[in-house]
Amino acid sequence: DIQMTQSPSTLSASVGDRVTITCRASQSISNWLAWYQQKPGKAPKLLIYKASSLESGVPSRFSGSGSGTEFTLSISSLQPDDFATYYCQQYNSYSQVTFGGGTKVEIK
Amino acid sequence: QVQLVQSGAEVKKPGSSVKVSCKTSRDTFSSYAINWVRQAPGQGLEWMGGIIPIFGTSISAQKFQGRVTITADESTTTAYMELSRLRSEDTAVYFCARGTWGSSGEKYNYFYMDVWGKGTTVTVSS
Repeated sequence: DIQMTQSPSTLSASVGDRVTITCRASQSISNWLAWYQQKPGKAPKLLIYKASSLESGVPSRFSGSGSGTEFTLSISSLQPDDFATYYCQQYNSYSQVTFGGGTKVEIK
Repeated sequence: QVQLVQSGAEVKKPGSSVKVSCKTSRDTFSSYAINWVRQAPGQGLEWMGGIIPIFGTSISAQKFQGRVTITADESTTTAYMELSRLRSEDTAVYFCARGTWGSSGEKYNYFYMDVWGKGTTVTVSS
């Protein structure tokens, strides 16, 4: 299976900060990567697919980049609603989808 | 607005089985895959498998092979996930999620998930 490693596991930041989360794949996944946001007690929400495509309705302060084995999710100016846990997910491997371990963005 | 409506919380004994349902729309049933993802308390997301209802083909993650059965009923546009031989470590919230998919010959790839159910809590306890 392809392993997905996120860093950091926890990130402390303030409103207005630029935030970057990294996701590394154990082997190349081209650009077959999605990012999700999850708040406590809620289902995940799709933010980005195909590494850099913004899902409809998601604010433009979210952006994704990368290809191969290294990917980033950036939030240009952190808003109060953005404090949550973020997960990457690869879908390159035939019928074996895997998620990263998650990055919790908390208030500094 | 697209919705996936999941069945209610379950409490099960170790060694038993649980079957969780996910009611979808006709459009979702005919055009998308339905994935099952679980989340143990305080833990991350874990993909269990999925089904492409129009073909009736399902697949499970290697970890769950032999223990999970994923099916779909066209008459009710409902997908199901049954997990057998339950143990305490299966205590989790189980989500269904609509996803895109692709094919290469007879092989199917499950892609990203754009609409999620609210989750079903399954507690395994003696």
